[in-house]
Amino acid sequence: AQTVTQSQPEMSVQEAETVTLSCTYDTSENNYYLFWYKQPPSRQMILVIRQEAYKQQNATENRFSVNFQKAAKSFSLKISDSQLGDTAMYFCAFMKHQGNNRLAFGKGNQVVVIP
Amino acid sequence: KAGVTQTPRYLIKTRGQQVTLSCSPISGHRSVSWYQQTPGQGLQFLFEYFSETQRNKGNFPGRFSGRQFSNSRSEMNVSTLELGDSALYLCASSLHGQSSYEQYFGPGTRLTVT
Repeated sequence: AQTVTQSQPEMSVQEAETVTLSCTYDTSENNYYLFWYKQPPSRQMILVIRQEAYKQQNATENRFSVNFQKAAKSFSLKISDSQLGDTAMYFCAFMKHQGNNRLAFGKGNQVVVIP
Repeated sequence: KAGVTQTPRYLIKTRGQQVTLSCSPISGHRSVSWYQQTPGQGLQFLFEYFSETQRNKGNFPGRFSGRQFSNSRSEMNVSTLELGDSALYLCASSLHGQSSYEQYFGPGTRLTVT
């Protein structure tokens, strides 16, 4: 079974600053997908960014970018120019290729953006 | 397009009762997955349905079951409720059954067992 580990359970960041969340995972698979999901106080889970393991290029989505290190099984998320709306729990998730949509989640990081 | 809807949004049940939760996926989506979220265990995969077939099941007791209808709507049922079943139950839908397609989550059903 795949395990996903997130440390730093709670982080605070000033508005407009940058914050980086770390995630490591354990798998014997070669093809897989990695995700960062955001869950604001409304509890609505929202996909932030996705990375295919076979792609060497790190994914970016506007202010969100990842640092994917396949050999180290590391997948960190960088939030640039933090905004108040970024306040949320952030979950790192793993899915095997052709894994029938089964996501394995980490425990989450609480990010609080301070004005 | 309407998003994923879940009903009811909140539910209070007594130990020993059973409960049925409903999930309506985004129109055209054929895959529905269910997750349980608790403060202690985090987010755990329950099961996934695609075209009315359960393709994947998490490590939950047989009291947890589900089904999917021909219109892709899905229900999950929990029988003989226990206090530990109190949780936020999330469902997610995706267009196809392939891993590369984004999953869209519903707002969840908050179940409280007393």
